Amino acid sequence: SQQGEEDPQALSIQEGENATMNCSYKTSINNLQWYRQNSGRGLVHLILIRSNEREKHSGRLRVTLDTSKKSSSLLITASRAADTASYFCATARRGTDKLIFGTGTRLQVFP
Amino acid sequence: EAGVAQSPRYKIIEKRQSVAFWCNPISGHATLYWYQQILGQGPKLLIQFQNNGVVDDSQLPKDRFSAERLKGVDSTLKIQPAKLEDSAVYLCASSFGGPQGGIQYFGAGTRLSVL
Repeated sequence: SQQGEEDPQALSIQEGENATMNCSYKTSINNLQWYRQNSGRGLVHLILIRSNEREKHSGRLRVTLDTSKKSSSLLITASRAADTASYFCATARRGTDKLIFGTGTRLQVFP
Repeated sequence: EAGVAQSPRYKIIEKRQSVAFWCNPISGHATLYWYQQILGQGPKLLIQFQNNGVVDDSQLPKDRFSAERLKGVDSTLKIQPAKLEDSAVYLCASSFGGPQGGIQYFGAGTRLSVL
C-alpha cells in the first residue's frame, strides 16, 4: 500500500514562480525523500531529510519535515520549464530500508 | 559511474503470454528492488533483494510473477502468464542497502503493454 499522499495532484505555474507540494504519511520514519520523474523516465533522487531534521536546502529546493504532523513539503523556487515533471515523496519506515512512495504531484511549468 | 541498466525499454505482448525483464544494478550496490508503476500512481515495491537473497516479496503476485538475482548482481523479473492489469512500467532500482533507508538509484524502466 502507498503510505504517502501528496497534494496537490497537479500544479500548473509560470516560469519564475515558486511551486509548493505537500506530502503526508502515516507511520514513524527514519527519513523522507523526494524524487523527480520526467515523462517516460525513471525516478531521480532530489533530497533526503532525516527524522531529526526540520528543514533542508539543495539549490532551488527547500524541504521541510514536521514529524508531529507526519507531513513534509517541497518548495521549488524560481521554477523553470525544465522542472516540469512528477514529484514523489518516499518514506523509509523505522527499522527497514524499504521506501514507500506517495501518489505524486504532476508539475507543469509554462515558459 | 554507470547507472542502473534495464532492458528492454518497451514490450508489447498479448494476455497469457510470458515476458521477462532484465536489470543490471550499479556496481557495488548490495540491494536491488523491482517496482511496478501503474499510470498515474507512485511506484509499488514488488520484491527486494539483499545480495542474492530475498528480503521482501510480500507484494509480489507469486502465482504469476517470479524474480531472481543470480550471483548477487543482475536480476530478472518474469511474468507468466500476463494479464491485462499487468500493463505498467517496471522499474529496477539499487542502493548500498542498510537499515536506515538510503538513496535508491533507478533505471529508466520497461514499459509493458498487455493486449
